[in-house]
Amino acid sequence: DTGVSQDPRHKITKRGQNVTFRCDPISEHNRLYWYRQTLGQGPEFLTYFQNEAQLEKSRLLSDRFSAERPKGSFSTLEIQRTEQGDSAMYLCASGFPAGQPRTEAFFGQGTRLTVV
Amino acid sequence: GENVEQHPSTLSVQEGDSAVIKCTYSDSASNYFPWYKQELGKRPQLIIDIRSNVGEKKDQRIAVTLNKTAKHFSLHITETQPEDSAVYFCAASRGGADGLTFGKGTHLIIQP
Repeated sequence: DTGVSQDPRHKITKRGQNVTFRCDPISEHNRLYWYRQTLGQGPEFLTYFQNEAQLEKSRLLSDRFSAERPKGSFSTLEIQRTEQGDSAMYLCASGFPAGQPRTEAFFGQGTRLTVV
Repeated sequence: GENVEQHPSTLSVQEGDSAVIKCTYSDSASNYFPWYKQELGKRPQLIIDIRSNVGEKKDQRIAVTLNKTAKHFSLHITETQPEDSAVYFCAASRGGADGLTFGKGTHLIIQP
């Protein structure tokens, strides 16, 4: 499968626990994006990377959220001290930078987080 | 920041008829406008996109129009089929797919 893959697909956690999600982008893409989608809403941008550099993180929802892409390939999104309001679908996408012939973002299947 | 409004929230059309979904955006610097289709429980999939140097783009039964002056863009689906039933999202950004701002989505229902 050469698409964007995310792991796990589903995560149930107790309030206050930390969770980490993984995203493997399409191999030739150097941009990687994280979005959050709640029920009935469009995806909400969180952060993105160009290779291993995090270019935008001001839209991460709080300081409990952090993301890494240490080797410029896969990325992880961590949420510390989870709250019930963090329950959502977390989507990863990858693509090429603006200015390239093709810049569209391709999404993964997402990780559905439920905080109980 | 960018704000994208999408209408209608639900659209029901007879199979074979056309469907039109409209979006407005607030940031005049936005230059990339993709449309995504999301079926229940599945990932958003890009169906068509347009850049600000183009007014219209067509791909078989799907077309998108952009009015930069009015800051709105629309998705047109002709000869609708049952498999077109899904939620459609419009989005906008200043640079390619970087930091897309999405609309709230339109649930398109194709009536047989």
